Formats: sequence, structure tokens, C-alpha cells
Amino acid sequence: ILNVEQSPQSLHVQEGDSTNFTCSFPSSNFYALHWYRWETAKSPEALFVMTLNGDEKKKGRISATLNTKEGYSYLYIKGSQPEDSATYLCACWGSARQLTFGSGTQLTVLP
Amino acid sequence: NAGVTQTPKFQVLKTGQSMTLQCAQDMNHEYMSWYRQDPGMGLRLIHYSVGAGITDQGEVPNGYNVSRSTTEDFPLRLLSAAPSQTSVYFCASSHSGTATDTQYFGPGTRLTVL
Repeated sequence: ILNVEQSPQSLHVQEGDSTNFTCSFPSSNFYALHWYRWETAKSPEALFVMTLNGDEKKKGRISATLNTKEGYSYLYIKGSQPEDSATYLCACWGSARQLTFGSGTQLTVLP
Repeated sequence: NAGVTQTPKFQVLKTGQSMTLQCAQDMNHEYMSWYRQDPGMGLRLIHYSVGAGITDQGEVPNGYNVSRSTTEDFPLRLLSAAPSQTSVYFCASSHSGTATDTQYFGPGTRLTVL
């Protein structure tokens, strides 16, 4: 079982602020890193899948980077909006054909 | 496409009762999985299947059984419910269970065991 950690656990920001969170994972036996967005009362939805060291992905105001050598990924949100309020999950795919999830970062964007 | 569907949405059981949580997908996905979500603990894998007739254990399999007789369906059985199984259960599927496959999640089943 991989140890996937996310920080911070929760975060409150003002509308318009930019913010970022961290996902750390074991750098050995790494295959892929997934980011999901999970709104209250809904199902988790995929944001990004990354595999290569130095990879960067972008979707609108949200972007992510990956460092497989040191075992971390950052998720950035530029100009946060209230609709960005959600829990952001990262998950690591290891050699056992399983996704191991972190406990998530709960983001609240205050208007 | 309906995607991943789960029934029921809510269920209350008494300790010792058994029940089956249903999961179905209409995307012809080979890989299906069950997770439970508990406060502060994220999603933990219970069981998964890489195709019809093939299942394997995840991180927290005790107290749960699964089978995969068809590509579409992946039911989760609670043999004798315990209060520790109170949780929200999510079923997910992906195309072929490779590292880069996106997982598609169902709407979840909220289970309370009294």
C-alpha cells in the first residue's frame, strides 16, 4: 500500500486569490499520478493524469506539475472562484494495479 | 450512456444483516473497483476486478465479497454488517485498468449500520 499524503488538509481563500496544494508519494515504483476534483454530494471527477517527471498539465485556471524524482505534485488554482470550492484528491498508481488516494485538500473560496 | 450507476443511494442495516450494493457500467470498461470513503481518510480500495471472472483484494477487503460474472456488473456483498462498515461506498470503472486510465465514479451509496 502506497503512502500518499496531501497538504494542507483544508484551506480557505478569498475570491480572486491564487492558491496551491501539495501531494507527496513514494518516488520508487511510480507509474502515474491522478488529480480528482470532488464537489459535495457529487462523485469525484478526473482533472489530470501525469506520468513523466517535469510534466505540466493545465485546464482553464487549474494546473498541475509533477516531480517523480522527489515524489511530489503541486496543484495550482489561479484567481480562485466560489465554484472552485471542492475537495481535491490526488492518487498514485503503483505496481499492484491499484489507485491509492490521499485524504484530500478541502478548498473553500469565500466570495 | 448512463456511465456508472449504483443502487441503492441510501441504506440502513442492523448489525449482522447482509446486503448487496449494486454497481453497473455501460462503457464496456474492463476494470471496476469499490472504494469506501470515511471522514479524514480519503478513498480506500476494497476490491477490484480487471475483467469478468477476475477479482482481487484491495486495501480493506475484510467483511466484503465481490464477483464479476459480466463486464457490466460488479456487486459488493456485505456478509454480516458491522457498525465499522458505516461509510459511503463508491464504485468506479476504467477502460482497461492501466496506470493512465481515468477512473469514472458512480454517485455513491451511503450505508449506515446500527
